[in-house]
Amino acid sequence: NAGVTQTPKFQVLKTGQSMTLQCAQDMNHNSMYWYRQDPGMGLRLIYYSASEGTTDKGEVPNGYNVSRLNKREFSLRLESAAPSQTSVYFCASSEFSDSRGDTQYFGPGTRLTVL
Amino acid sequence: AQRVTQPEKLLSVFKGAPVELKCNYSYSGSPELFWYVQYSRQRLQLLLRHISRESIKGFTADLNKGETSFHLKKPFAQEEDSAMYYCALSSSSGGYQKVTFGTGTKLQVIP
Repeated sequence: NAGVTQTPKFQVLKTGQSMTLQCAQDMNHNSMYWYRQDPGMGLRLIYYSASEGTTDKGEVPNGYNVSRLNKREFSLRLESAAPSQTSVYFCASSEFSDSRGDTQYFGPGTRLTVL
Repeated sequence: AQRVTQPEKLLSVFKGAPVELKCNYSYSGSPELFWYVQYSRQRLQLLLRHISRESIKGFTADLNKGETSFHLKKPFAQEEDSAMYYCALSSSSGGYQKVTFGTGTKLQVIP
């Protein structure tokens, strides 16, 4: 099993450009998440999908959109990139949508720089 | 609101010395707490969680509800323990698992 995969690993954008970050998991998990990691701020939740067909905003959703394409795939789109979106983006998944004690499994991350 | 505080950005210890990574939390309910670790050039992964009460790679963590802490400890540090460590608190909120991460502590084990 590959677990959680993300593409691309690195990306450089110019302000105003758009792009989509891809995430897929092969563990048959119901829930998927997108986080951003910034120095000194830990991981902050952007969007989540509790189950196939549902998505909802997390702590820092502005400037992003998501699509839960199917149970395996959860993509994050930046419509008009801004320098403030320079960050490392992590996708994660967990088996249950509402289990407090459930482990989250993370992808390798995408390092995005917006010039 | 739930909050996780890791007061140290960097902790440097010598090989063989004891390690304690501090984590304090704020949460009104009964918390579910985790430690995640990120080794260099690897993904974030679960180290341990308090409900399992297990020791992983020699690390243990005890939930102290009185002090609202979940410190990570290891009696003898090894070079391979050098990594970024994140404390996390999980709750069930609005039908999803809400996880709040601390800002992380970088552990540096000096040979």
